Amino acid sequence: AQRVTQPEKLLSVFKGAPVELKCNYSYSGSPELFWYVQYSRQRLQLLLRHISRESIKGFTADLNKGETSFHLKKPFAQEEDSAMYYCALKDSGTYKYIFGTGTRLKVLA
Amino acid sequence: DTAVSQTPKYLVTQMGNDKSIKCEQNLGHDTMYWYKQDSKKFLKIMFSYNNKELIINETVPNRFSPKSPDKAHLNLHINSLELGDSAVYFCASSQYIGNTIYFGEGSWLTVV
Repeated sequence: AQRVTQPEKLLSVFKGAPVELKCNYSYSGSPELFWYVQYSRQRLQLLLRHISRESIKGFTADLNKGETSFHLKKPFAQEEDSAMYYCALKDSGTYKYIFGTGTRLKVLA
Repeated sequence: DTAVSQTPKYLVTQMGNDKSIKCEQNLGHDTMYWYKQDSKKFLKIMFSYNNKELIINETVPNRFSPKSPDKAHLNLHINSLELGDSAVYFCASSQYIGNTIYFGEGSWLTVV
């Protein structure tokens, strides 16, 4: 069954420290993966998608098919990065997006 | 020029009432969605419409009835509200099914 797992509910780091938000997936086909971010009381916004291999706001994520992971990384956390981060997988058969349970990132001053 | 807008943003209502949440997108997208985010922040799809036709209907109580008068609107009507319906409901749209999803700001529903 398709599943997205974000093992950490909360991740606290100090400003300037590296950040890694973990995401593992279970999918039988070729996955398409995304990271969405939700700042306090705002809409979910697309942060990045694996197919575009881009860096947005200093964040990157690499798809590792061997480890079935799509971890989100940033070398130096900023206070404004504090938000909920959702990893999502798009099922290429049904086109449904399957979201993980989210990780709250808190960047401490 | 909000892309996906939903109203109301906050709604507090008593158990047993019927309420509606409206959603409109001005992106010219064909596909619209309703997602539910519960108190544990778990985000799950409820419905999806493509060009006014229902294409995804997850296991949702039939007290929830979506209505799409045109492809720019997808409203959610909830009958006989229960305490467990308290959640944030997000409307979203994508150009076509499977394309990148754009979310509205959410509607905070509290049932008391």
